[in-house]
Amino acid sequence: SQKIEQNSEALNIQEGKTATLTCNYTNYSPAYLQWYRQDPGRGPVFLLLIRENEKEKRKERLKVTFDTTLKQSLFHITASQPADSATYLCALEGSNYQLIWGAGTKLIIKP
Amino acid sequence: DVKVTQSSRYLVKRTGEKVFLECVQDMDHENMFWYRQDPGLGLRLIYFSYDVKMKEKGDIPEGYSVSREKKERFSLILESASTNQTSMYLCASSFDAGTSYEQYFGPGTRLTVT
Repeated sequence: SQKIEQNSEALNIQEGKTATLTCNYTNYSPAYLQWYRQDPGRGPVFLLLIRENEKEKRKERLKVTFDTTLKQSLFHITASQPADSATYLCALEGSNYQLIWGAGTKLIIKP
Repeated sequence: DVKVTQSSRYLVKRTGEKVFLECVQDMDHENMFWYRQDPGLGLRLIYFSYDVKMKEKGDIPEGYSVSREKKERFSLILESASTNQTSMYLCASSFDAGTSYEQYFGPGTRLTVT
């Protein structure tokens, strides 16, 4: 069955450094992948979508890569700030407009 | 801005009660979804709807039902609440489009069943 893995351990990063989060998947070849941010007690908020024919996508301080050979996506936040602290979820294309979700990685940016 | 609202942020119900969770979106989205989120498990799809009066089971539909009588409103019903349904419930909506698949979420309802 399809499986998505995100690092379940929290990632602690010093302010100003680049944070890199990983999303791995198996038994699947999605046409696109999405990243969301979720703050405590709130619903996820869409950040970026990357398609299978795109190797990299950027939005301000965010960068996402999509390696369909490795079945992996990397999510980078450059010049990280304490306000970037949140849980980040990856989601892959499912059938009928559904998404298949990872459990998320908690990112903590220390001042 | 897209807005998805949910009827309650926090809800406490007793075992056996019938529970209604309502979701309304204002962007004329065709697709609407109900998820539950539990620590370490990520988002699990309960039901989704791609049109008025249409519904499809997700991964964990047991113990739940849904209703979509109007395009903007999608209701989740717990027929007889049980303690294992204590969770965060999230509603989402999305366009039925070929280029845009992002989902827009409501703030969530934290349901406690005692």
